Amino acid sequence: EAGVAQSPRYKIIEKRQSVAFWCNPISGHATLYWYQQILGQGPKLLIQFQNNGVVDDSQLPKDRFSAERLKGVDSTLKIQPAKLEDSAVYLCASSLDGRGPSYNEQFFGPGTRLTVL
Amino acid sequence: QKEVEQNSGPLSVPEGAIASLNCTYSDRGSQSFFWYRQYSGKSPELIMFIYSNGDKEDGRFTAQLNKASQYVSLLIRDSQPSDSATYLCAVTPSGTYKYIFGTGTRLKVLA
Repeated sequence: EAGVAQSPRYKIIEKRQSVAFWCNPISGHATLYWYQQILGQGPKLLIQFQNNGVVDDSQLPKDRFSAERLKGVDSTLKIQPAKLEDSAVYLCASSLDGRGPSYNEQFFGPGTRLTVL
Repeated sequence: QKEVEQNSGPLSVPEGAIASLNCTYSDRGSQSFFWYRQYSGKSPELIMFIYSNGDKEDGRFTAQLNKASQYVSLLIRDSQPSDSATYLCAVTPSGTYKYIFGTGTRLKVLA
């Protein structure tokens, strides 16, 4: 079974530029998550999708971050404009069905390491 | 008070010893508890999960949950140098199915 795919793996940009990350979840997984992990910290949930609807985006900085999940499969996360403090690893995860404890195990992709100069 | 707290470590144990990792959480109604391992530069990978009070064993790993005291722990028996990593505790708060992660505990197993 293929895992969660993410691209690119690394990205270096100047502040105020824009950047986009792509995620393809495990086939059949209804729930998709985007996390931000700053060095030395645990992952912080940015947004959670159930199929193509948003379940939780309470910690997404909506003035600069946006995300979409068209057709309930792939997802993109965009930052525009980027700030220095956005330097982090952006992790995508998926679970079979995020609505029940028995199906809530999350599987993570390899992440995208973003450096903002 | 942070929602999920872990000692950042590093926790150093000799090879073959038992490593004990602890996690406390603030939401008394939390339902599900997960332990992930994260090697440096890699993404988190699930070790095990626990929902009910008591112990759950899987190979060299044992998760222990005490909801009354609001803590969950992970024991690693016969620790190996390959177990050296950061261990992340994740908790699902009441009324949601999202994860709240702790900051992780860095474990070093000394050969």
